[in-house]
Order: sequence, then structure tokens, then C-alpha cells
Amino acid sequence: QQQVKQSPQSLIVQKGGISIINCAYENTAFDYFPWYQQFPGKGPALLIAIRPDVSEKKEGRFTISFNKSAKQFSLHIMDSQPGDSATYFCAAMSGKLIFGQGTELSVKP
Amino acid sequence: NAGVTQTPKFQVLKTGQSMTLQCAQDMNHEYMSWYRQDPGMGLRLIHYSVGAGITDQGEVPNGYNVSRSTTEDFPLRLLSAAPSQTSVYFCASSYGQLNTEAFFGQGTRLTVV
Repeated sequence: QQQVKQSPQSLIVQKGGISIINCAYENTAFDYFPWYQQFPGKGPALLIAIRPDVSEKKEGRFTISFNKSAKQFSLHIMDSQPGDSATYFCAAMSGKLIFGQGTELSVKP
Repeated sequence: NAGVTQTPKFQVLKTGQSMTLQCAQDMNHEYMSWYRQDPGMGLRLIHYSVGAGITDQGEVPNGYNVSRSTTEDFPLRLLSAAPSQTSVYFCASSYGQLNTEAFFGQGTRLTVV
């Protein structure tokens, strides 16, 4: 079974809009929650990460919101740009790094 | 800096053939892992290693073997390739649990016919 569930599978957003991707997990032993960004033909690269002792982390236009009691976390991309078009993966770690199914984001000009 | 290097980039195998996907890192990372990426399935962990001489199974280990004789190298072996192993394979490395950013290679696209 999928330990980290991600939605939506695909997302289309207009330039300047807000992109929101959601993830949920079951294993309470997870203690590190990163988001990775992947462009076609490339390996994933770390975008932003959070630990469960904080509820929000912001880096530029990217924000992670974390709800420990609901076992959910989400990525918000503010002022989305065409250059943000990529596949985004949430992940969770407890000794090993487990990924969600991925979200293909397309930002239209 | 080379980072994480995977070879080959592309490979076509016939069913039943064996091969080894190579992965090397030059960052002195303790953690290394192998993932496969399939449409709609995300990245699924095959095997991982927390240091030289130590390996463990991930989510989808069947049909794959690994070994970790040095800190730098973590090869993935397919003993008898099957069409279900057609995928893009990524190797990743990281310092460990205290600094857990994973660095990925460029991937190996494997087709089994």
C-alpha cells in the first residue's frame, strides 16, 4: 500500500495563480517531510522541507503547511510561473525516504 | 563536482537477460538508495544502504539485488529481466538522517522486451 498519498495527479494553473498540492501519511514515525521538483529528463531535486515540530515553512514563493494531528501536509506555490511547470513529489522519511505518486503541474501563460 | 553518476543512461534488454546498473557518488554520503519511477506510481524505493556493507529492502525489492562494498558505489543488479521491470531507475545519496537532502542521479531508462 502507498505510505504517502498525493493529490491531485495533475494540475493546471494560470500564470500568477496559486498551485496547491496535498499529501497524507499514516506512519507517525515519519520525522522529515520534503518536497522534490523534477523537470523532464532530470532527476528530482529538493525544493523545500519541513520537520513535524513546525506548522509552516516558507521559502520565497514556496510554502509547506503541516498538520500533524491530521497527518497531512501541502505545498503552496504563490504567483505560479510557467517555469514552475514540472512534476512535484512529496515525501516522508523514517530511516528511509518514501515518495508520493507525484503531481504534474502545468502553469499556463 | 560530479555528484551522483548513473550509467548507462539508456538500456534495452531481452527478457531473461541480466545486467547491472551502476551508481557512484563523490560526496562521501553514507546513505544511498535506488528508486524506480513509473507513470502514476511516483518514485518507489527498491533497496537502500545506510553505509558500506549494510543494505536493506525498500517497497519493491523483488527481482533486484544490491551490494555496498564501498561508500562511493551502490550497483543494482537485475538477475533475470522481466518486462515489468521496464522503468526509469534513479539512484540517490544523502549524508544521513541529520542532513537528509537526497541528491539524485540523472536516471537510467531501461526497456525490457
